[in-house]
Amino acid sequence: DVKVTQSSRYLVKRTGEKVFLECVQDMDHENMFWYRQDPGLGLRLIYFSYDVKMKEKGDIPEGYSVSREKKERFSLILESASTNQTSMYLCASSLSTREPSYEQYFGPGTRLTVT
Amino acid sequence: RKEVEQDPGPFNVPEGATVAFNCTYSNSASQSFFWYRQDCRKEPKLLMSVYSSGNEDGRFTAQLNRASQYISLLIRDSKLSDSATYLCVVKSMYSGGGADGLTFGKGTHLIIQP
Repeated sequence: DVKVTQSSRYLVKRTGEKVFLECVQDMDHENMFWYRQDPGLGLRLIYFSYDVKMKEKGDIPEGYSVSREKKERFSLILESASTNQTSMYLCASSLSTREPSYEQYFGPGTRLTVT
Repeated sequence: RKEVEQDPGPFNVPEGATVAFNCTYSNSASQSFFWYRQDCRKEPKLLMSVYSSGNEDGRFTAQLNRASQYISLLIRDSKLSDSATYLCVVKSMYSGGGADGLTFGKGTHLIIQP
């Protein structure tokens, strides 16, 4: 069974703290993604990776960085958390860019609150 | 620039009714189309792909109209368990949506009432 796990379901951090969100997939997928989801704004892509040590900016990369040292693990880093980064963060993975492998499998999400 | 647009709803529909909603996309080079379902406080999951000829999966029918650049989802004999947010997803070659080039709509909220 396909599985994407995220390190925390709920997280509360203070402004200025460094925050690490971890995502692990056990499906040997090539691609991994980080999104944030906010009411009225939908899913917005922050960063993605199509291979180990490779990363590409998505639509809203400002204030974030990522790390992919191993194929199964993709980390999202908030260097200095701010209140406008309070959001639901969703990690996803997909097999490859070749059809019919477009399906993205999502983790359960991390609801981050920055106070 | 809104690449994928959906009516956010909510659509309030009595149990057993048929409900349909559309999604429009702006990139005529879009290649593939999908509907994802997201339950409250849960992650999105693939509901069905949308093929050019239209396709059906049980009570769900998806249609694609390339000329008018919209896709639709029809749910027949709606159940209480169909209450969810339905996300329209489009794959385009140059959408800038990442390795898969997937762009997500903001979703249509459906509430099935007993």
